[in-house]
Amino acid sequence: SQTIHQWPATLVQPVGSPLSLECTVEGTSNPNLYWYRQAAGRGLQLLFYSVGIGQISSEVPQNLSASRPQDRQFILSSKKLLLSDSGFYLCAWTVSTDTQYFGPGTRLTVL
Amino acid sequence: SQQGEEDPQALSIQEGENATMNCSYKTSINNLQWYRQNSGRGLVHLILIRSNEREKHSGRLRVTLDTSKKSSSLLITASRAADTASYFCATDAGGDMRFGAGTRLTVKP
Repeated sequence: SQTIHQWPATLVQPVGSPLSLECTVEGTSNPNLYWYRQAAGRGLQLLFYSVGIGQISSEVPQNLSASRPQDRQFILSSKKLLLSDSGFYLCAWTVSTDTQYFGPGTRLTVL
Repeated sequence: SQQGEEDPQALSIQEGENATMNCSYKTSINNLQWYRQNSGRGLVHLILIRSNEREKHSGRLRVTLDTSKKSSSLLITASRAADTASYFCATDAGGDMRFGAGTRLTVKP
């Protein structure tokens, strides 16, 4: 069966520090991968999606970036975090445009 | 940007009552999905309804879709305290999925 992992589960970082969040998927090949951010009490905002290795599409211009070095690995990064980057980051995968399967999420607090 | 908008933003009911949540969207869609999120957790897919379907059931869940009004509803019957969560609708218009802000459902025992 397919599983999706995210780490770390929680992260507290100072403003201006770098960020690296990792997402890996098991049990499937060539998935579409997504990064979402959820602000407190809000819906999900699509940040990046990838249809293949090295292929990244950005939905919202910001100080975040994404990379897909391997088929089932998706990384969200920042060189310098802002206070506004605080939130709950969710990774998701799909092999069609139907159901997306979400990871457990990473709670990021920027102080 | 968000596509779906859930209504109400928050709903509080007693155990055993039915809960109805609504979702409105703006563009034509291929399908609409409902997800559930327990506090601080990832989203779990509940049900998908395609644009050519009008109603779908899954256990205690009933979803309707009215494409002429660009709206959907999620009904949870005989609610339980364990149904307490946030519920999101997501629309697929042939590209990415767009999520609404969610309805926070509280079921009191």
